[in-house]
Amino acid sequence: EDQVTQSPEALRLQEGESSSLNCSYTVSGLRGLFWYRQDPGKGPEFLFTLYSAGEEKEKERLKATLTKKESFLHITAPKPEDSATYLCAVQPFTDYKLSFGAGTTVTVRA
Amino acid sequence: EAGVTQFPSHSVIEKGQTVTLRCDPISGHDNLYWYRRVMGKEIKFLLHFVKESKQDESGMPNNRFLAERTGGTYSTLKVQPAELEDSGVYFCASSQDYTAYGYTFGSGTRLTVV
Repeated sequence: EDQVTQSPEALRLQEGESSSLNCSYTVSGLRGLFWYRQDPGKGPEFLFTLYSAGEEKEKERLKATLTKKESFLHITAPKPEDSATYLCAVQPFTDYKLSFGAGTTVTVRA
Repeated sequence: EAGVTQFPSHSVIEKGQTVTLRCDPISGHDNLYWYRRVMGKEIKFLLHFVKESKQDESGMPNNRFLAERTGGTYSTLKVQPAELEDSGVYFCASSQDYTAYGYTFGSGTRLTVV
């Protein structure tokens, strides 16, 4: 069974204080690893898809990287509007369903 | 482009009652998915429709849950009878193809069974 573990569970940052979120995974053949952002009362919002080890994607202050066992979401110089829960999910080659981690809740203080 | 619409946004029912959740996917999206997040746990897959056909319902917890997608448009998820452990947030998502890049999630229905 595919497994996704995210750490830390919660992260409190000062505005401008860069940090990284970790997503460790085991999957029988990775089709893609996905990062989503979720705000309270909303559904997950797509951020990135990573397909192979060594791949990197960037969007504003966020940068996602992928190895064969884990992915990192780097937040550079975060702002309060970056406060959200960040979810990691994997999709195997054999399937279309996503297996999610429990998420990391990021709080950025001004 | 209108997003994925779910309603109701919240539902509070008593144990033993029936509840029906509805999802309107993005127009033209053949793939429709139901996911659920129970308190303190990760989001879990429930089932996948391609048009009106159930492609995969391996995540459905038990036979108290019934999903339908008549005509390949909107979908309903009925829980009958509801139990306390069914409480959680039910998300619907749709996509044009099976890749998660195209997944668009709705805002979810928060179900509370008391």
